[in-house]
Amino acid sequence: DSGVTQTPKHLITATGQRVTLRCSPRSGDLSVYWYQQSLDQGLQFLIQYYNGEERAKGNILERFSAQQFPDLHSELNLSSLELGDSALYFCASSSSAGYTFGSGTRLTVV
Amino acid sequence: AQSVSQHNHHVILSEAASLELGCNYSYGGTVNLFWYVQYPGQHLQLLLKYFSGDPLVKGIKGFEAEFIKSKFSFNLRKPSVQWSDTAEYFCAVNFFGNEKLTFGTGTRLTIIP
Repeated sequence: DSGVTQTPKHLITATGQRVTLRCSPRSGDLSVYWYQQSLDQGLQFLIQYYNGEERAKGNILERFSAQQFPDLHSELNLSSLELGDSALYFCASSSSAGYTFGSGTRLTVV
Repeated sequence: AQSVSQHNHHVILSEAASLELGCNYSYGGTVNLFWYVQYPGQHLQLLLKYFSGDPLVKGIKGFEAEFIKSKFSFNLRKPSVQWSDTAEYFCAVNFFGNEKLTFGTGTRLTIIP
């Protein structure tokens, strides 16, 4: 257990649907990062939040959004899902010691 | 653009062979460097990291990496691999002024017993 908790572990949904992925960072970590891992794109940075505020944005589609709540957990919302959104979605939190990753949510869009 | 390259996409070795996986990055400024391992179906686990100081860094499971600033490289090494090292290995860089990690495309390592 890395200390970063992601739920659900697996998600199967149909095209056009909307899903929410949840991440709880390690205790004390203020930053949360979301990454998408797919076979063709590798590990792509999506977005970072720090203490509730958006800090950096990467290759995140307009159909995707995220937020970080006062208790520091974060949610990644994916809407109008397409087959190509099927991937493993990781979240990570960071401290001065480095980055810790969660186990990921495997999203399958059918 | 800031990028990370891992030129070895798939490496196949026999047990007890020595390993070196390449990692290069394209940036001349200050960087923090990481190697992560991902076992099948699992999350990314930190093998080792370099922030500053001795450029030869020792990590877990017998892995080490050497930061060569002049070559913009941070190659991962292990003198004698085991079957349990079969996994995907990712080099990642934290470029100065940018908190996110930029990952290489990964190297799949297969160890033959």
